[in-house]
Amino acid sequence: DSGVTQTPKHLITATGQRVTLRCSPRSGDLSVYWYQQSLDQGLQFLIQYYNGEERAKGNILERFSAQQFPDLHSELNLSSLELGDSALYFCASSVRGGTDNYGYTFGSGTRLTVV
Amino acid sequence: GENVEQHPSTLSVQEGDSAVIKCTYSDSASNYFPWYKQELGKGPQLIIDIRSNVGEKKDQRIAVTLNKTAKHFSLHITETQPEDSAVYFCAASKWAGDSGYALNFGKGTSLLVTP
Repeated sequence: DSGVTQTPKHLITATGQRVTLRCSPRSGDLSVYWYQQSLDQGLQFLIQYYNGEERAKGNILERFSAQQFPDLHSELNLSSLELGDSALYFCASSVRGGTDNYGYTFGSGTRLTVV
Repeated sequence: GENVEQHPSTLSVQEGDSAVIKCTYSDSASNYFPWYKQELGKGPQLIIDIRSNVGEKKDQRIAVTLNKTAKHFSLHITETQPEDSAVYFCAASKWAGDSGYALNFGKGTSLLVTP
């Protein structure tokens, strides 16, 4: 167990629908990152939150949004789903800056299948 | 933005041989270079990292080298074992202070170690 919890593990939904993926970071970590992993694109950075605020944005579609709550858990909302959105979605967290430990800790992912 | 290229995409070695995976990056301001190992059905796990003020780092059978001038870094695994079989990702980023950083990943190398 990495300490980063993602739910649900699997999700099957139809095109046009909306889903919410949830992530609880490792205890003490303030930054949360969302990544999309597909077979041909590798790990694509979507968005980062730090202590409730958006800090960096990657290749995130306008149909996708995220937020980080006061308890530091984060949710990734995917709407108007298309077949091409089928992928593994990973959440990662990292320790607060200013330490020597820069590494991310990844969760085990949510596998989204759009049919 | 940062572009990370990783080669080869697949690598097959015999148990006991060495494996080398190479990455190049485009942004000369990048200063942090981690390597992740992803086993089937799991999230990526940090195995070693290096910062730009260091040219080489070793941890048991794993070593990473960095050439800042050429903007490339490599992962070396010696005395490979079947349990080293996994997908390996390199990444690069610029440290963004206390709020952390967004990692840009290569597309991964699938390593197979045959007994």
